[in-house]
Amino acid sequence: AQSVTQLDSHVSVSEGTPVLLRCNYSSSYSPSLFWYVQHPNKGLQLLLKYTSAATLVKGINGFEAEFKKSETSFHLTKPSAHMSDAAEYFCVVNGGYQKVTFGTGTKLQVIP
Amino acid sequence: NAGVTQTPKFQVLKTGQSMTLQCAQDMNHEYMSWYRQDPGMGLRLIHYSVGAGITDQGEVPNGYNVSRSTTEDFPLRLLSAAPSQTSVYFCASSIGTSGYTDTQYFGPGTRLTVL
Repeated sequence: AQSVTQLDSHVSVSEGTPVLLRCNYSSSYSPSLFWYVQHPNKGLQLLLKYTSAATLVKGINGFEAEFKKSETSFHLTKPSAHMSDAAEYFCVVNGGYQKVTFGTGTKLQVIP
Repeated sequence: NAGVTQTPKFQVLKTGQSMTLQCAQDMNHEYMSWYRQDPGMGLRLIHYSVGAGITDQGEVPNGYNVSRSTTEDFPLRLLSAAPSQTSVYFCASSIGTSGYTDTQYFGPGTRLTVL
């Protein structure tokens, strides 16, 4: 069985300050981990993914995430938030075709 | 490339009506899937297909049917709509060579309301 927990349903940051969106996962094997972003009324877009190569993964728009097996975490970070980062972010565990589990999402608000 | 396209964007149905949500991709992807998105629940897998002629159930398949006659198209059929099927539906595709490392590409979604 696998599961994913996004620890915050809402995160609010000021423009120019760091962003931290937290994700913990549970899996009985070595899954791939993804972060997707969804802007209002849009589909989901890949930010970055971990597939058992480097544990620090860099994605688009300055986001990065670090896979920590000992902590079963895959937190998403960005050094400086931009207004365009306001969106909903989903952490995803993928253990195979039918074993795709989405987190419940974290809505990021960026305050000017 | 248009990517993944979905039609319609919005739909209102009455309880008991049937309809088909259309999904097409032009990336020659083998793997296609349907999700529903409900507030506070993330996305849940309804059905998926690993290639033309092959489909299987996901986490929440009841009330939905799929078929895959071509690589490009993967329609989702609601047999007898119920208010519990009010949701936003997303179609996604991926290249399908790995299954668990592949990036999924999502369509823009169909917002369905069942009265």
